[in-house]
Amino acid sequence: GDQVEQSPSALSLHEGTGSALRCNFTTTMRAVQWFRKNSRGSLINLFYLASGTKENGRLKSAFDSKERYSTLHIRDAQLEDSGTYFCAAEADSNYQLIWGSGTKLIIKP
Amino acid sequence: DAGVTQTPRHEVAEKGQTIILKCEPVSGHNDLFWYRQTKIQGLELLSYFRSKSLMEDGGAFKDRFKAEMLNSSFSTLKIQPTEPKDSAVYLCASSFGGALAETLYFGSGTRLTVL
Repeated sequence: GDQVEQSPSALSLHEGTGSALRCNFTTTMRAVQWFRKNSRGSLINLFYLASGTKENGRLKSAFDSKERYSTLHIRDAQLEDSGTYFCAAEADSNYQLIWGSGTKLIIKP
Repeated sequence: DAGVTQTPRHEVAEKGQTIILKCEPVSGHNDLFWYRQTKIQGLELLSYFRSKSLMEDGGAFKDRFKAEMLNSSFSTLKIQPTEPKDSAVYLCASSFGGALAETLYFGSGTRLTVL
């Protein structure tokens, strides 16, 4: 079965508001990455975490290996935040990435 | 249901060799991407095809990296000649098309080690 469950699959926010994306893992993961897909189709690395939390501007991510989840929080959403966001986890036993199915985020004026 | 298939799963090469990685996208998908994953740089785009036409070729990788898509169900990534710094996981992904709207489906990757 799927090892990474990403939710929600789609999210619509008004400018200035915030929300969180979440990835649940069915097994222990050693690290997680969060990406945003840009207009050219490239994946931009937002965060790489082996534990704890990281913050960058209006984005904050947390990873709890023991509880098997990771979150990506967006605050004060802006129009340019629209896009598809992915989490990807490294399984404990190897370094290959296991991907979530993505969250399509739409920011409305 | 067949997802994205990448072969081989692991590849070990000597410096200076030529290696070819293979990818079969999800049937019916129009977009195909090659990425390289390292702990230092994260995920980097190597090439992007739409309907078999090359749309984007990562500038930093043009020198020794060449991706081809001879038909809609098969793509290759050639690295020639290999260098130790090329050691990484190479990921292939496909989607129906539409860069912003579509979910990417990734293969399980090829782990390349260059000695």
